[in-house]
Amino acid sequence: DSGVTQTPKHLITATGQRVTLRCSPRSGDLSVYWYQQSLDQGLQFLIQYYNGEERAKGNILERFSAQQFPDLHSELNLSSLELGDSALYFCASSVSGGAVETQYFGPGTRLLVL
Amino acid sequence: DQQVKQNSPSLSVQEGRISILNCDYTNSMFDYFLWYKKYPAEGPTFLISISSIKDKNEDGRFTVFLNKSAKHLSLHIVPSQPGDSAVYFCAASAMTTDSWGKLQFGAGTQVVVTP
Repeated sequence: DSGVTQTPKHLITATGQRVTLRCSPRSGDLSVYWYQQSLDQGLQFLIQYYNGEERAKGNILERFSAQQFPDLHSELNLSSLELGDSALYFCASSVSGGAVETQYFGPGTRLLVL
Repeated sequence: DQQVKQNSPSLSVQEGRISILNCDYTNSMFDYFLWYKKYPAEGPTFLISISSIKDKNEDGRFTVFLNKSAKHLSLHIVPSQPGDSAVYFCAASAMTTDSWGKLQFGAGTQVVVTP
């Protein structure tokens, strides 16, 4: 158990809908990361937050947004969902978000868009 | 643009023998490298890491070697155990302002340890 929690574990929805994925980092970690793992793309970095502020951005679609709240939990919002958004979404956390730091991953949310 | 490459999608090894997983990278700015293990339906689990100022790091049965001139790293597991059967991901990060903390992952290598 990494100490990172993610809810829900599974999500099934329809195209065009909007969903919110939630992540709670390990106790004491200030930085949260979101990654997407799809069948053909592997693990892809989406976005990083540190203490409530966006720190780094990857190839995150404009339909996707995220935020980190004062209690340090984070939410990833996916809107206007398409079939291709079906994937595993992982949250990770680290102490301060530096490059020479280990990121610890949650169990993931499996999203299926029908 | 795949900056971290694991060219072997799978590896089969006998229990008790050595498993060697390889990883190549193209970005010379990478300065921190990690290996993660992943079981089905779980998140990646951190195994071992190495900073670019070192060429070897050891933790129990796991050793990571870094060859910066060749832009190559490898993970050795000795001895291999049935519980090591999983997908192994190599990851790298660079200490630059636009990629601070962002991990680039390889495609993974599926390891199967046979009795």
